[in-house]
Amino acid sequence: ELKVEQNPLFLSMQEGKNYTIYCNYSTTSDRLYWYRQDPGKSLESLFVLLSNGAVKQEGRLMASLDTKARLSTLHITAAVHDLSATYFCAVDDNDRRFGAGTRRTVKP
Amino acid sequence: NAGVTQTPKFRVLKTGQSMTLLCAQDMNHEYMYWYRQDPGMGLRLIHYSVGEGTTAKGEVPDGYNVSRLKKQNFLLGLESAAPSQTSVYFCASSYQGQGSFSNQPQHFGDGTRLSIL
Repeated sequence: ELKVEQNPLFLSMQEGKNYTIYCNYSTTSDRLYWYRQDPGKSLESLFVLLSNGAVKQEGRLMASLDTKARLSTLHITAAVHDLSATYFCAVDDNDRRFGAGTRRTVKP
Repeated sequence: NAGVTQTPKFRVLKTGQSMTLLCAQDMNHEYMYWYRQDPGMGLRLIHYSVGEGTTAKGEVPDGYNVSRLKKQNFLLGLESAAPSQTSVYFCASSYQGQGSFSNQPQHFGDGTRLSIL
């Protein structure tokens, strides 16, 4: 069964600093997707990565895909409106499986 | 341009009741999807459709039925609601892509928050 694992699951971002989210998956798929979800909102498609070595950048976000390692990374240079968002990766197998998401750390 | 519209936005049901969630898209997309999102988790695919008149099961199809009688609409039905179906339901659509599952970006609706008591 396809497994999609994101790391870290929780992140406390500060404006202007750089962060990396990793997405590991267990199938040989060459299709990987990154999404963003603001609190209480729907998902927004960020990137579609369709081949080994694919790299896409848009503004403060950059994503890459290594199908041999079954790993994708999302690099973020955080802006204020990024701090509360949750980021999901998803991989196509027989259907599209999502990771659990990387979300803002909630301090006790 | 409305994009993907889901109705209703909120609903509370009693166990055993039935209801239908409606998803409408105005982008002439071939592919449509229904997902559920539970707290602290990613989305799980319930059913999807690759074109008018076709539907297919996703990861968690049990307890749900779907219909795609018109290209622009994708209906999700709960025949006998159970508390385990309390969730946020998202509909999405995309252009047809290569292979059996579209590789195009998905456009999501705003979600339907469903509580079953």
